[in-house]
Amino acid sequence: DVKVTQSSRYLVKRTGEKVFLECVQDMDHENMFWYRQDPGLGLRLIYFSYDVKMKEKGDIPEGYSVSREKKERFSLILESASTNQTSMYLCASGWPTGMNTEAFFGQGTRLTVV
Amino acid sequence: DAKTTQPNSMESNEEEPVHLPCNHSTISGTDYIHWYRQLPSQGPEYVIHGLTSNVNNRMASLAIAEDRKSSTLILHRATLRDAAVYYCILRHGGSQGNLIFGKGTKLSVKP
Repeated sequence: DVKVTQSSRYLVKRTGEKVFLECVQDMDHENMFWYRQDPGLGLRLIYFSYDVKMKEKGDIPEGYSVSREKKERFSLILESASTNQTSMYLCASGWPTGMNTEAFFGQGTRLTVV
Repeated sequence: DAKTTQPNSMESNEEEPVHLPCNHSTISGTDYIHWYRQLPSQGPEYVIHGLTSNVNNRMASLAIAEDRKSSTLILHRATLRDAAVYYCILRHGGSQGNLIFGKGTKLSVKP
């Protein structure tokens, strides 16, 4: 019954490393999203994609990039990880084109940058 | 983007109804009202959404004010498993609207 799968639940990386967070959905959704969640700041949108090879910046895109080569997969890339990117990362996918229905979230990846 | 205002926290007793309020005075005519909740250590999950009319599903009911400037999520009988952070979100109608989360309401349920 899993709908949105994030590749790792927990991840520890070193400062300066290139980090890939993968997200796969099995619902044929056009729209996919990456958020980060920090205590006291809530969920903040990093990037989203509404179609293959399309991407849009969210509220906090600095230090991140994304890739959407296939409809079902949306990757978040930290080009050079820094300690202030230690956070919970959540992927979501939602609504077929033109329909205002629900979004589905993955379980999250807790990333620690040391 | 239109904003929502929710109380930071609320308490409820188990088996009793819970009314979670949300103010959205700047809502536009094409904004849908969505509610999600996040249980501890999990990603958010969809609860319910509506545009103008009240809505019911197996999880909850959504009561929308006639002027649409406020709404209330109703849990008919709270259980301990309903303890979570509840988010009221406005999403623009159409295929590319985002979900912009506020701080939400942390609901505690007492046995």
